[in-house]
Amino acid sequence: EDQVTQSPEALRLQEGESSSLNCSYTVSGLRGLFWYRQDPGKGPEFLFTLYSAGEEKEKERLKATLTKKESFLHITAPKPEDSATYLCAVHKGYQKVTFGTGTKLQVIP
Amino acid sequence: DTAVSQTPKYLVTQMGNDKSIKCEQNLGHDTMYWYKQDSKKFLKIMFSYNNKELIINETVPNRFSPKSPDKAHLNLHINSLELGDSAVYFCASSQTPVAGPSYNEQFFGPGTRLTVL
Repeated sequence: EDQVTQSPEALRLQEGESSSLNCSYTVSGLRGLFWYRQDPGKGPEFLFTLYSAGEEKEKERLKATLTKKESFLHITAPKPEDSATYLCAVHKGYQKVTFGTGTKLQVIP
Repeated sequence: DTAVSQTPKYLVTQMGNDKSIKCEQNLGHDTMYWYKQDSKKFLKIMFSYNNKELIINETVPNRFSPKSPDKAHLNLHINSLELGDSAVYFCASSQTPVAGPSYNEQFFGPGTRLTVL
């Protein structure tokens, strides 16, 4: 059975303290991995898509990387506005998407 | 504004009632989805429609019935509501690529928080 596991469940950082979030997956026939950000009371907002091992994408303070077994979301010098729940999702076939349980990030000023 | 919209945002009802949630997207996408997010924030797909046709129907009780009158709308009707149906329901949409990777990112609505008493 496909599994997507995110760690840690929660992460508390001081402003400026860089760290990484992990998304481990066991999916046969991975077609793509997605990162989303979800703010309280809102729907997930798309951040990145990664399609093959070794691929990297960057956006402001965020950088996503992908290997054959996991993906990392690196946050460099985070700010309080980066506080949110970060979700990864894997796509293995036509319209079939499985989400992880998320990492709740809190950045303290 | 181009977006995915859902109504209502909050829905409080008694066990056994029937209720509907409406979703509309004006992004011109051809695929729409319903997700359920439980209290632990786990987002699980329920249904997917492509050009008004049902593509994905996960293990969901048949009390849940989606209806897609056109590509821009996907409504969710729930019969005989149960306590365990309490959750946040998200609608989403995406566009099937003509070429290249077989999947594009999804755009989510603001969610409908359903509380069954």
